Amino acid sequence: DVKVTQSSRYLVKRTGEKVFLECVQDMDHENMFWYRQDPGLGLRLIYFSYDVKMKEKGDIPEGYSVSREKKERFSLILESASTNQTSMYLCASSYGPFYGYTFGSGTRLTVV
Amino acid sequence: GQQLNQSPQSMFIQEGEDVSMNCTSSSIFNTWLWYKQDPGEGPVLLIALYKAGELTSNGRLTAQFGITRKDSFLNISASIPSDVGIYFCAGQQLHYGGSQGNLIFGKGTKLSVKP
Repeated sequence: DVKVTQSSRYLVKRTGEKVFLECVQDMDHENMFWYRQDPGLGLRLIYFSYDVKMKEKGDIPEGYSVSREKKERFSLILESASTNQTSMYLCASSYGPFYGYTFGSGTRLTVV
Repeated sequence: GQQLNQSPQSMFIQEGEDVSMNCTSSSIFNTWLWYKQDPGEGPVLLIALYKAGELTSNGRLTAQFGITRKDSFLNISASIPSDVGIYFCAGQQLHYGGSQGNLIFGKGTKLSVKP
C-alpha cells in the first residue's frame, strides 16, 4: 500500500524553538508539498519541490524553510516557532505535474 | 494564488438525506478532483474527472466536470454517519506560471450527519 508518512501526529513546542517536520513517501514520486490547514482557511501551500535539492515557495512561505536531500524525504523547518504557527501540517506527494496528490495523516503542531 | 469557490462551507443533515456541494472558478481547469478528509486524518482522493461533461460515480458518490470547465459538483446519496468529514474540491490547469499543474484547492465543505 503506497504511503506518505509524517513522523509525528502531535507535537508541542515552545516559542522560539527550531522545529523539524519530516515527511517520507515510498512511491518514488517526483513532487512533494507542504500545506498548513486552519479552520475556515482551507489548505494553504507553504513550499513544494519537483526534484531533489529543488524547492519553490508556495503561497505562505514566511517563517518556514524546507529541505529535500533525498527524493523520498521532504522536511519542513520552522526556524523560530511562534504561536501563530500552531496548526495542522499536511505533507503530500504526486508522481508529477497533473497527477493527483497522496496526503500524509498530518502533524498537529501546538506552539506554546 | 488562484482560488476555487466551494459551497456550502458547512452542512448539517439527517442520516439518509442526499447531499450536494459544488466548486466554481473564473478560470478553466483541465482536471477536477474531489477529496475527503476524515477527522484527524489527511485528505483522501474520492473521484478524479478529466473531461468536460464527464460524470463519474464511486458507490454513493457522483461527481461531474462542468461543461464550461469552470465548475464541478459532488453528490452523496443516502448519507450515513461515516460520511462525516471535510470534502475538498481541487482543480488543475495545464499552464499556470511556474507551478506546472499544481492542484488548487477549495476551502472545503464540512459535513455533519445526525443519526
